Amino acid sequence: EDQVTQSPEALRLQEGESSSLNCSYTVSGLRGLFWYRQDPGKGPEFLFTLYSAGEEKEKERLKATLTKKESFLHITAPKPEDSATYLCAVRGGAQKLVFGQGTRLTINP
Amino acid sequence: DAGVIQSPRHEVTEMGQEVTLRCKPISGHDYLFWYRQTMMRGLELLIYFNNNVPIDDSGMPEDRFSAKMPNASFSTLKIQPSEPRDSAVYFCASRPNMGAGNTEAFFGQGTRLTVV
Repeated sequence: EDQVTQSPEALRLQEGESSSLNCSYTVSGLRGLFWYRQDPGKGPEFLFTLYSAGEEKEKERLKATLTKKESFLHITAPKPEDSATYLCAVRGGAQKLVFGQGTRLTINP
Repeated sequence: DAGVIQSPRHEVTEMGQEVTLRCKPISGHDYLFWYRQTMMRGLELLIYFNNNVPIDDSGMPEDRFSAKMPNASFSTLKIQPSEPRDSAVYFCASRPNMGAGNTEAFFGQGTRLTVV
């Protein structure tokens, strides 16, 4: 059974303080690892898809990386508007996404 | 495109009543997913459709839950009778079929259901 574990559950940073979020996964035949951002009261918003170990993708202050067992979401010099819950999900042989519990990120000004 | 549209945004109902949640996927998307989100269990897949046909309903918690997709532009999730433990945010998502299937899903804004 596909599984995703995210850590930490919550992370509080000062503005400008860089850090990383972790997503560990087990999946039968990875067909994509996905990162989403979710703001309170809204649906998840797509950020990145990674397909194979060694792949990296960047968007503004965010960079996602992938190994055979885990993915990291690196946040460089974050701003208060980066505060959100970040969700990781995998798609295996089936067409469905299996999500982790998320990391709730708070950036203090 | 306006994105995935869900209605209502909020629903408060009494235990035992029937609840119907609605979803309009993005035009041209072949896959439609229903998820439920709670603090305890996070985002759980309930059921998904491909070309209007239910493919996997193993996540539907019990017979009180049913979902239909009568056409490519509309789906419903029904709970009958509703119970307080059904209180959650229900999300609909859709994505296109692009060969290998390595594409992201787009989510609606969700329906917050409260059963009292």
